[in-house]
Amino acid sequence: NAGVMQNPRHLVRRRGQEARLRCSPMKGHSHVYWYRQLPEEGLKFMVYLQKENIIDESGMPKERFSAEFPKEGPSILRIQQVVRGDSAAYFCASSPLEGGYSGNTIYFGEGSWLTVV
Amino acid sequence: KQEVTQIPAALSVPEGENLVLNCSFTDSAIYNLQWFRQDPGKGLTSLLLIQSSQREQTSGRLNASLDKSSGRSTLYIAASQPGDSATYLCAVTNNDMRFGAGTRLTVKP
Repeated sequence: NAGVMQNPRHLVRRRGQEARLRCSPMKGHSHVYWYRQLPEEGLKFMVYLQKENIIDESGMPKERFSAEFPKEGPSILRIQQVVRGDSAAYFCASSPLEGGYSGNTIYFGEGSWLTVV
Repeated sequence: KQEVTQIPAALSVPEGENLVLNCSFTDSAIYNLQWFRQDPGKGLTSLLLIQSSQREQTSGRLNASLDKSSGRSTLYIAASQPGDSATYLCAVTNNDMRFGAGTRLTVKP
């Protein structure tokens, strides 16, 4: 059973380009979470999705950022018109049920490192 | 809004020492608390998960305690080794998971 898979692991984008980060949850997991880690900081919650639904996007910047988790395929975190401040590690996590309510461990991917030049 | 604080931000100890990492949180209505390890440029590895009804969890040389009423958790590492050098993150779960900024641990040979 493969773990949470994220790709690309490293991505370089010029200012103004778009970045797309993909996350395939663990098999059987229908809940996906995205976190951002800025240099020398802890992980900050961005968005929580179930298949075809955004449950909580309270941590998402209001502009340029969007996330989806379609019925088929991976979850996508999309950043439009990237700026230098978007440079960070973006982590995806998955759980089989609502991680908090069920007490299940949330499993993290290895992260995608975005560098904006 | 849940705030998670980890003290100290960085810690350097000689090999063999026992050490304690601290985590505090402002909202005690949590479902669980989890300690993670993160190596530079890597993802997170779950070390210990403590449910809200539990007081502690142990795994090998690691012991994590939880005092929900006071909003505190500690991670105790016994007989530290250079391989323990990493950043240790604690995270609490209400409706989502909130992380502290981490403690960067260096164990010197």
